[in-house]
Amino acid sequence: NAGVTQTPKFQVLKTGQSMTLQCAQDMNHEYMSWYRQDPGMGLRLIHYSVGAGITDQGEVPNGYNVSRSTTEDFPLRLLSAAPSQTSVYFCASSAGQGMDEQFFGPGTRLTVL
Amino acid sequence: GEDVEQSLFLSVREGDSSVINCTYTDSSSTYLYWYKQEPGAGLQLLTYIFSNMDMKQDQRLTVLLNKKDKHLSLRIADTQTGDSAIYFCAASGYSTLTFGKGTMLLVSP
Repeated sequence: NAGVTQTPKFQVLKTGQSMTLQCAQDMNHEYMSWYRQDPGMGLRLIHYSVGAGITDQGEVPNGYNVSRSTTEDFPLRLLSAAPSQTSVYFCASSAGQGMDEQFFGPGTRLTVL
Repeated sequence: GEDVEQSLFLSVREGDSSVINCTYTDSSSTYLYWYKQEPGAGLQLLTYIFSNMDMKQDQRLTVLLNKKDKHLSLRIADTQTGDSAIYFCAASGYSTLTFGKGTMLLVSP
């Protein structure tokens, strides 16, 4: 099992550019989430999905889109990158809610100039 | 929504015990978690406690839960330099987790 994989590991964008952060898991997990981590802010939930075809907004969804066409993949799209989106992005998955452990990917470090 | 608060920094000497504290606001949170993040890495689940428990012990880790005060603590016995990391408290919601801002634990030799 590869677990949760994220690509790319690092990315530099110019303001206004768009890009997609990729996330995949091979554990057949229903729940997947995207978080951003900023210094002194902890992890904040951007979007999450409770199964293929179902997504919902988290705490900080503005400027991001997601879709979940398969159980395995949960890409995060930045429509028009802004410097405020400079952050480390983590994808996580779990079999369910409650006591089910969330498994985290290694993160994508994004810088927007 | 749920709010989870933690102290931001803790410094201890190797061999001492470390205690990291956390408070949360939503009494309906069923599970409470402790995650560890080492530099440049993602988060790794350390332990969790169900809301109807007061204490859980797992080797060097002890989790205490005071439901009345909505206070959670993580005690690490015989702290080692390899325990230096950021520790996150998290509370379960309906479909997601709410994380605290993290406590940086620095262990000096």
